[in-house]
Amino acid sequence: DVKVTQSSRYLVKRTGEKVFLECVQDMDHENMFWYRQDPGLGLRLIYFSYDVKMKEKGDIPEGYSVSREKKERFSLILESASTNQTSMYLCASSRPAGGSDGYTFGSGTRLTVV
Amino acid sequence: GESVGLHLPTLSVQEGDNSIINCAYSNSASDYFIWYKQESGKGPQFIIDIRSNMDKRQGQRVTVLLNKTVKHLSLQIAATQPGDSAVYFCAGNYGGSQGNLIFGKGTKLSVKP
Repeated sequence: DVKVTQSSRYLVKRTGEKVFLECVQDMDHENMFWYRQDPGLGLRLIYFSYDVKMKEKGDIPEGYSVSREKKERFSLILESASTNQTSMYLCASSRPAGGSDGYTFGSGTRLTVV
Repeated sequence: GESVGLHLPTLSVQEGDNSIINCAYSNSASDYFIWYKQESGKGPQFIIDIRSNMDKRQGQRVTVLLNKTVKHLSLQIAATQPGDSAVYFCAGNYGGSQGNLIFGKGTKLSVKP
């Protein structure tokens, strides 16, 4: 069974902390994505990557960075966590050139910043 | 910019009834559309897709209809069950070589026993 695994289901961090959210996929997918999901706002793309060492800004990259050192792993970094970054974070992966099988999502990490 | 949106944020149906969830899109160049189901505490899961050269596609208890004239697609769930309670998203690819998807905001389906 193919999987996208997010390292934590729930996280509570303090304002100003540096936060790492990890995502690993075992499907040998080239493309990986980070979204945040908030009530009424749907899925908003933070960053994505089409290859190792490569990253592209999505719609809301401010306050975030990413790292893709290995094909299977895509990390989201909150350099200095703030309360407005409290959200559900979803990682996804897909084949290059997409295709109607779409994305495979992880189970999400619910981050609370206090 | 391009958009994909759902008509209703919530939908409540009686167990056993059919459910219809609607979605509108703006990008005529989308090659395919996908419906996802997200249960509480989980990530979205692929349900069914439809390519732009099709009008209808059926799966197990689900049917997706695509009307390109009015840029509308719908997901029909037959004999809705309590396990169908979830948020449903439509998504369409918006061009480019990598097949990036744009998502609607989701409709929360509640099934009443």
